[in-house]
Amino acid sequence: AQKVTQAQTEISVVEKEDVTLDCVYETRDTTYYLFWYKQPPSGELVFLIRRNSFDEQNEISGRYSWNFQKSTSSFNFTITASQVVDSAVYFCALSEARRGNTPLVFGKGTRLSVIA
Amino acid sequence: DAMVIQNPRYQVTQFGKPVTLSCSQTLNHNVMYWYQQKSSQAPKLLFHYYDKDFNNEADTPDNFQSRRPNTSFCFLDIRSPGLGDAAMYLCATSFSTGTGIYNEQFFGPGTRLTVL
Repeated sequence: AQKVTQAQTEISVVEKEDVTLDCVYETRDTTYYLFWYKQPPSGELVFLIRRNSFDEQNEISGRYSWNFQKSTSSFNFTITASQVVDSAVYFCALSEARRGNTPLVFGKGTRLSVIA
Repeated sequence: DAMVIQNPRYQVTQFGKPVTLSCSQTLNHNVMYWYQQKSSQAPKLLFHYYDKDFNNEADTPDNFQSRRPNTSFCFLDIRSPGLGDAAMYLCATSFSTGTGIYNEQFFGPGTRLTVL
């Protein structure tokens, strides 16, 4: 069975601090996809990144970076020099690739508050 | 811009009064999803359409139905809303070739349903 755990329910940081959001997943499949989504107060889920299980290369996109470690089943997300606009709920999600449209399993989300 | 549109953004209904939420997309994606998200929880998949094929999640109540008259539109019907059905309803789309390559889902802004 698939499971995604985001142990941090809420995090508060002061603007310009770096912050890491943790994500640990469980799956029996060798082929799977991991995602991060951002949900600002407006409610829309915004896609941030997709990573497949065969690609452990870390990725950086501006102030965002992701660390994928299969050995620890983790896919952590770091925001460097956080800004108030980063305040949102962040969801990590997993999908097994046995079927082309296997549904996403979401973690419970981490609410990030960036204080000016 | 290509996007996922949900109408209305806010819907108020009375206990037991049927309600329909709509979703349209200009992305020409072949898969459309409906999620329910209750306050401070992760989105929960209700069902999805892969082209015209309807896929219901095992724990989705019979009270929830869906229709997809064409590629662009998908509707969520709640036949007899109860107080426990008050939530944000998110529509999402993705493109799948059915080969196991899982592409990201794009979400609409959601419809917040209130049941009085």
